[in-house]
Amino acid sequence: DSGVTQTPKHLITATGQRVTLRCSPRSGDLSVYWYQQSLDQGLQFLIQYYNGEERAKGNILERFSAQQFPDLHSELNLSSLELGDSALYFCASSVGSTYNEQFFGPGTRLTVL
Amino acid sequence: GDSVTQMEGPVTLSEEAFLTINCTYTATGYPSLFWYVQYPGEGLQLLLKATKADDKGSNKGFEATYRKETTSFHLEKGSVQVSDSAVYFCAFNNAGNMLTFGGGTRLMVKP
Repeated sequence: DSGVTQTPKHLITATGQRVTLRCSPRSGDLSVYWYQQSLDQGLQFLIQYYNGEERAKGNILERFSAQQFPDLHSELNLSSLELGDSALYFCASSVGSTYNEQFFGPGTRLTVL
Repeated sequence: GDSVTQMEGPVTLSEEAFLTINCTYTATGYPSLFWYVQYPGEGLQLLLKATKADDKGSNKGFEATYRKETTSFHLEKGSVQVSDSAVYFCAFNNAGNMLTFGGGTRLMVKP
């Protein structure tokens, strides 16, 4: 158990809908990262927040957004969902903002029908 | 651009066989290198890491050495067990924030 929690574990929704994925980092970690794991793209970095502020952005679509709240939990919002958004979404956390070990949560499996 | 290339699987071995999973990277500067393991239905677990050239990371019988001259970080284990069956990901951290992952190598160990 990494100490990173993600909810829900599974999510099934329809195209065009909007969903919110939630992540709670390990106690004491200030950074939260979001990754997408899909069959065709592999594991890709989406975005990082550090202590409430966006710190780095990767291959995140404009339809996707994230935020980190004062209690350091983070939410990833996915809107206007398409079939191709079906994937495993992982959250990771680390103590600092750069070059730290990242600890991954169990993931949320999103299925868009 | 930055990338990680690792051998495609699946790799199928008998229990107690020797394991090598090749990993090479393309990155500017001096990245930190990692191996992560993903067991069925679970998230990624950090297996081992190395932060500078010639460092050897080790954990649970697995080893990997940071070879700057060949830009490689091959994963090895002397004697695999059925419980080692999983997907193994090579990754590096160069920009300070994001991890860049290889495509993953599925290992299947038969009794």
